[in-house]
Amino acid sequence: GAGVSQSPRYKVAKRGQDVALRCDPISGHVSLFWYQQALGQGPEFLTYFQNEAQLDKSGLPSDRFFAERPEGSVSTLKIQRTQQEDSAVYLCASSLGPIRGRGQPQHFGDGTRLSIL
Amino acid sequence: DQQVKQNSPSLSVQEGRISILNCDYTNSMFDYFLWYKKYPAEGPTFLISISSIKDKNEDGRFTVFLNKSAKHLSLHIVPSQPGDSAVYFCAASGPNDMRFGAGTRLTVKP
Repeated sequence: GAGVSQSPRYKVAKRGQDVALRCDPISGHVSLFWYQQALGQGPEFLTYFQNEAQLDKSGLPSDRFFAERPEGSVSTLKIQRTQQEDSAVYLCASSLGPIRGRGQPQHFGDGTRLSIL
Repeated sequence: DQQVKQNSPSLSVQEGRISILNCDYTNSMFDYFLWYKKYPAEGPTFLISISSIKDKNEDGRFTVFLNKSAKHLSLHIVPSQPGDSAVYFCAASGPNDMRFGAGTRLTVKP
């Protein structure tokens, strides 16, 4: 498809397990973002990639969260030793240019709903 | 800290009437503002944006107004249609980041 694709759509894990969430951005999009969205809240920034370079990871809530985009296309968000507070929808977005701000619209995937039991 | 606020969690309007969604921001470094629309179980989709050098941008039934001195923007939908029922997120963009409000759930009744 032509949009941002995320997998899995739903993930249930037991507390303490590791999980990996995948994002396939729109082909050719330079910028890639990960967001965390809690129930009833807006997306909260986690991390930003420009091609394969992770330029900002200031939003990652702890060192249990790790993201990579090794070839500048597909990205993976990994959460180690999951905790109940990690339960949320994780959204991936991509945009065409290398400019992070300046109003450049981001194209979002449908998200991965993560539930930690 | 909430730099972008949408103080109305929900709004209900009659089909054909105007919907007005409001958004306030605190950071004067924001220079672009965007509205996204989100249906259940889908990601947000971009709707309309405005640069801080403008005070109005119109696209069909959707108009965004910006009041820089008040750090306030609004989205007007005229006429509202049942298909407009969704959650609307306001976003503010600076040189290096984008922040989102908590969203307003719009319900347009037939």
